[in-house]
Amino acid sequence: EVHLLESGGALVQPGGSLRLSCAASGFTFSSYAMSWVRQAPGKGLEWVSAISGSGGGTYYADSVKGRFTISRDNSKNTLYLQMNTLRAEDTAVYYCAKDGVFYYGSGTFFYTGEYWGQGTLVTVSS
Amino acid sequence: SSELTQDPAVSVALGQTVRITCRGDSLRRYYASWYQQKPGQAPVLVIYGKNNRPSGIPDRFSGSSSGNTASLTITGAQAEDEADYYCNSRDSSGNPFGGGTKLTVL
Repeated sequence: EVHLLESGGALVQPGGSLRLSCAASGFTFSSYAMSWVRQAPGKGLEWVSAISGSGGGTYYADSVKGRFTISRDNSKNTLYLQMNTLRAEDTAVYYCAKDGVFYYGSGTFFYTGEYWGQGTLVTVSS
Repeated sequence: SSELTQDPAVSVALGQTVRITCRGDSLRRYYASWYQQKPGQAPVLVIYGKNNRPSGIPDRFSGSSSGNTASLTITGAQAEDEADYYCNSRDSSGNPFGGGTKLTVL
């Protein structure tokens, strides 16, 4: 059974830093891309960042580019999100999500969020 | 902001059929996936690909697509289907999630 468990959320002042972790189990972690998706209070889902299975490819939303860094340790089955220069608008529940894959015809297709963690709350406020 | 647009709210009578739509040019090129989110809970995948349901998702949930529009249909809506529903397309510019549709079951 797949489990994703986020940790590291906290109250932090504007301009501060935080590192989120997501411990994964129940699947071959290194074989799947992973994403961070956030949800501000009362708002919709916003994709934040993604990383390939090997860690060689990383992708960011414009809103966090240059401030956040996604990484993974495949030996520890753990995904990370280093968040620097935090702003009030970064306040949200942060979810980690496992990519899914399906095959149709001769093509291979990927999608975000086959499985989700329960989320960790990041509050940026003075 | 998202390239994918959803109606903010939809309602359906108990036991009736409801369609939730998602529009965007990226849907012409890539399949949509759909997620259900209940208050205080993480999203749950309900449809992916052409029309695939993960294990444990009732068969009253189905997906379809035509042109720039993807649809999630619930046939015989139940009270427990009341939730927010989000679409997603990997090939979308900006935020790949739609803004979400709040489904009310009357």
